[in-house]
Amino acid sequence: DAGVTQSPTHLIKTRGQHVTLRCSPISGHKSVSWYQQVLGQGPQFIFQYYEKEERGRGNFPDRFSARQFPNYSSELNVNALLLGDSALYLCASRPDRGRRAFFGQGTRLTVV
Amino acid sequence: KNEVEQSPQNLTAQEGEFITINCSYSVGISALHWLQQHPGGGIVSLFMLSSGKKKHGRLIATINIQEKHSSLHITASHPRDSAVYICAVNDGTDKLIFGTGTRLQVFP
Repeated sequence: DAGVTQSPTHLIKTRGQHVTLRCSPISGHKSVSWYQQVLGQGPQFIFQYYEKEERGRGNFPDRFSARQFPNYSSELNVNALLLGDSALYLCASRPDRGRRAFFGQGTRLTVV
Repeated sequence: KNEVEQSPQNLTAQEGEFITINCSYSVGISALHWLQQHPGGGIVSLFMLSSGKKKHGRLIATINIQEKHSSLHITASHPRDSAVYICAVNDGTDKLIFGTGTRLQVFP
């Protein structure tokens, strides 16, 4: 079975641009969460979606948005990129039963 | 002060040594997770605990709910154990609150 897959794996963008990151959860997992990990720090919660509805939002500006599709895949969108948005963006999915999270390999975003 | 604190931040060990990484948290939790992150970035879940102790191979995780403290132990450490070990908690919701991680290097 495929794990959580994220695309792209690496991305370089210029300040002010827009970026879309994608995540496919493990088959059957309806909950998807997004995290931002800045170099040298632990991941920070951005969003959680369940059954296409936003269930939680972290302390991030409105430039960050996300959505979940009927097949439970998800997109994270970031507008007006800043240098400080450079980070590893992690997606995690979770089954309905239990709290164990399964992580993708992440998308490393560099803003120049 | 972070809601989840880990110690030490960095740890070096000789192959075969017994290793302990500590995690303290200040929020009410429904579960605590120990995760492993390799240089490529991907995170692997090692344990999820809500009480007591769990063991998997050479890894042991314990939690003391009253003291809001957890430990991850690695017995007979090996160079392939070199990674960043991260403690994270569910605060009663599905989101995870992470510590900053402990960077472990095990030398042959």
